[in-house]
Amino acid sequence: AQSVTQLDSHVSVSEGTPVLLRCNYSSSYSPSLFWYVQHPNKGLQLLLKYTSAATLVKGINGFEAEFKKSETSFHLTKPSAHMSDAAEYFCVVSNTGNQFYFGTGTSLTVIP
Amino acid sequence: KAGVTQTPRYLIKTRGQQVTLSCSPISGHRSVSWYQQTPGQGLQFLFEYFSETQRNKGNFPGRFSGRQFSNSRSEMNVSTLELGDSALYLCASSLALQGGYTEAFFGQGTRLTVV
Repeated sequence: AQSVTQLDSHVSVSEGTPVLLRCNYSSSYSPSLFWYVQHPNKGLQLLLKYTSAATLVKGINGFEAEFKKSETSFHLTKPSAHMSDAAEYFCVVSNTGNQFYFGTGTSLTVIP
Repeated sequence: KAGVTQTPRYLIKTRGQQVTLSCSPISGHRSVSWYQQTPGQGLQFLFEYFSETQRNKGNFPGRFSGRQFSNSRSEMNVSTLELGDSALYLCASSLALQGGYTEAFFGQGTRLTVV
């Protein structure tokens, strides 16, 4: 069975400070893991993906995530938040059938 | 390269009616999946099609159905609409490589409102 748990439903940071969005996963297989971002009234945009290569994955807009098998975690980080980062973020795990399991989302607020 | 296109973007229907939503995947992508997004339930998987065959199905009633055509375009249909069907319906396409290690690309969604 596949599932993800996003540990925070809301995260608030000041502009220019680091961002940490937490995700734990459960998977019967060696998982594919993704982070997607959704801006208001928009579709989902892929930030980054882990597919069993390097454990530290770099994505777009300065985001990165580290796959930690021992902790079953895939936390998303960014060194310095920008106002445009305010959005909903989803951690996603995929099985081999291209079915994607979404976390409940983390709403990121960036305070000027 | 064109992205995933969903039509229409917005739809208002009355309870009891039926509705058909359309999704055109990225050229070359053979897997199309559908998701329902609501504030209360988040993003829930509806079904996935690959080469005109439904491969996976989520936990939704039979009122929700879909199909995929030979050009990979997909439609989903909801019959006997209920107020609770009001949601953003997202379509995603992917290459569906062996082993499933491939990302999904999402459309902008169709906002369905049932009144």
